[in-house]
Amino acid sequence: DAEITQSPRHKITETGRQVTLACHQTWNHNNMFWYRQDLGHGLRLIHYSYGVQDTNKGEVSDGYSVSRSNTEDLPLTLESAASSQTSVYFCASSDLQTNTGELFFGEGSRLTVL
Amino acid sequence: SQKIEQNSEALNIQEGKTATLTCNYTNYSPAYLQWYRQDPGRGPVFLLLIRENEKEKRKERLKVTFDTTLKQSLFHITASQPADSATYLCALSISGGYNKLIFGAGTRLAVHP
Repeated sequence: DAEITQSPRHKITETGRQVTLACHQTWNHNNMFWYRQDLGHGLRLIHYSYGVQDTNKGEVSDGYSVSRSNTEDLPLTLESAASSQTSVYFCASSDLQTNTGELFFGEGSRLTVL
Repeated sequence: SQKIEQNSEALNIQEGKTATLTCNYTNYSPAYLQWYRQDPGRGPVFLLLIRENEKEKRKERLKVTFDTTLKQSLFHITASQPADSATYLCALSISGGYNKLIFGAGTRLAVHP
């Protein structure tokens, strides 16, 4: 079955370290998204991509970067982790062809920055 | 600024009753609205989409309404079951890109036997 997987599921790091969260989908979807989820806030869009070599900033992109070198993967990099980036991160993908526009989410990566 | 509001307080109901969750928004004219279910420690799962020109959409025990004048969507679960206990998120499409969504913070539903 097609799926979307995130790794690691849990990570603890220190302030100032570079961290990369992996996202891999086997749906062959063109669209991929990274969100963060914090208590009291909805999912907030960090970065998104509509295809290989395409990346775009979301509403909370400062301190994050992504790259899209193939259809399956959209890794999220925190260049220099800050305590404010402690959060649960969700990757999602969607099919350009579907008329529902539904997002398929991974199980999340919980990041703690000490 | 654009804003989505969902009841932050948990909704507690008795099994068999209808649960009604509210999603209000301001400063938007979304082309469509979606509802997702999220269980603790899991990613959200898509439930329903309703477009701006649709008043109501149904799927099994679920019903969604969309009032673009009131800027409100209502999400109903009829004949609720304890297995329906979860957090429900509404999401609105925003302009400037395909599939770009803005999410509410969600409402936690607890269905008691």
